[in-house]
Amino acid sequence: KAGVTQTPRYLIKTRGQQVTLSCSPISGHRSVSWYQQTPGQGLQFLFEYFSETQRNKGNFPGRFSGRQFSNSRSEMNVSTLELGDSALYLCASSLPKIGPQETQYFGPGTRLLVL
Amino acid sequence: SQQGEEDPQALSIQEGENATMNCSYKTSINNLQWYRQNSGRGLVHLILIRSNEREKHSGRLRVTLDTSKKSSSLLITASRAADTASYFCAWMDSNYQLIWGAGTKLIIKP
Repeated sequence: KAGVTQTPRYLIKTRGQQVTLSCSPISGHRSVSWYQQTPGQGLQFLFEYFSETQRNKGNFPGRFSGRQFSNSRSEMNVSTLELGDSALYLCASSLPKIGPQETQYFGPGTRLLVL
Repeated sequence: SQQGEEDPQALSIQEGENATMNCSYKTSINNLQWYRQNSGRGLVHLILIRSNEREKHSGRLRVTLDTSKKSSSLLITASRAADTASYFCAWMDSNYQLIWGAGTKLIIKP
């Protein structure tokens, strides 16, 4: 099976702009989670989607949003970008389960630089 | 960190030696997982231990969990150059969110 794919891999934006990142999970996986990784804060959970519904949300401002499509592909959007949003954004998918997800399979990430 | 810690932050050992990394957390957990991250393969799941388990093995990896001390350790035996990476613990809290440790950077010297 193909792994989790994320596009684009690299992105440069300026403050105030918005950005949309895309994630395609492993075929058959219905849960997609998003994480932000920075040198200062480490890995932080953004949100999780399951069957097109946001099932869990981390402690991030409303500028960070996401959605999931019927084919389980997911997008996350960051509006009004700030310098501190520069990070590696990781997407992970999990096996189809109704309950909480456990083992996660990560994509290569999108590295976002905000100037 | 308010969530937990990993130590050491960095570890450099000779190839063939064993490497031990420790993780402490502050909340109740459903399970604890260890991941490896390197530039070549990204973030990869290594092993999961449930809150009612005390020890688990997978190949050269041994993980222990002490819920009374809210701590876990990862032991890599007979280290290889390919083990050079950052290692992260992550625990699933009662809200089913995965909370991450700060990571240990492991360097294996040939």
